[in-house]
Amino acid sequence: AQRVTQPEKLLSVFKGAPVELKCNYSYSGSPELFWYVQYSRQRLQLLLRHISRESIKGFTADLNKGETSFHLKKPFAQEEDSAMYYCALSVWSGGSNYKLTFGKGTLLTVNP
Amino acid sequence: DAGITQSPRHKVTETGTPVTLRCHQTENHRYMYWYRQDPGHGLRLIHYSYGVKDTDKGEVSDGYSVSRSKTEDFLLTLESATSSQTSVYFCAISETTPGYEQYFGPGTRLTVT
Repeated sequence: AQRVTQPEKLLSVFKGAPVELKCNYSYSGSPELFWYVQYSRQRLQLLLRHISRESIKGFTADLNKGETSFHLKKPFAQEEDSAMYYCALSVWSGGSNYKLTFGKGTLLTVNP
Repeated sequence: DAGITQSPRHKVTETGTPVTLRCHQTENHRYMYWYRQDPGHGLRLIHYSYGVKDTDKGEVSDGYSVSRSKTEDFLLTLESATSSQTSVYFCAISETTPGYEQYFGPGTRLTVT
């Protein structure tokens, strides 16, 4: 069965330090992976998706099929990056339909 | 923010009472989803819809039902609320899948006493 694992519930770094939020997945099909972010008192929003290979707010994520990972990285963390981060996997659910399976999330705190 | 609203935004209800949450979109997106968010569990899919009157179960559908009679509205009903259904409920929409962004509503905080 499909699964998304985010091994760290909490991650705390200092401003300017590199940050890496880990995400591993298990899926028999071709994976479509996403990172969503939820800032305090705001709705969830898409941060980035692997198919677009883009960098948003300085964050990047590379899909590693060999290691079944999609880790989120930023070389220099900022205080405004403090948020809950969710890794998500798009899973085929029959016909032409897909749904997202989310990890349990990592709460990132960037200290001044 | 994409045109998604949820109502009510907060609700306190008693065990055993029925509760209906509403998600309304103005984007004319085909897919709509209901999630619950709980500490330590992340987001879990309850039900989703891939068109008017077309719905399917997610991973935590027990105790919940949904209806979609119009493209813009997706209703989540707790037939007989229990304390374990105390949670924050999020609605999301997407234009198509896979690989496309889901847009989330602001959430509904439900407390069952």
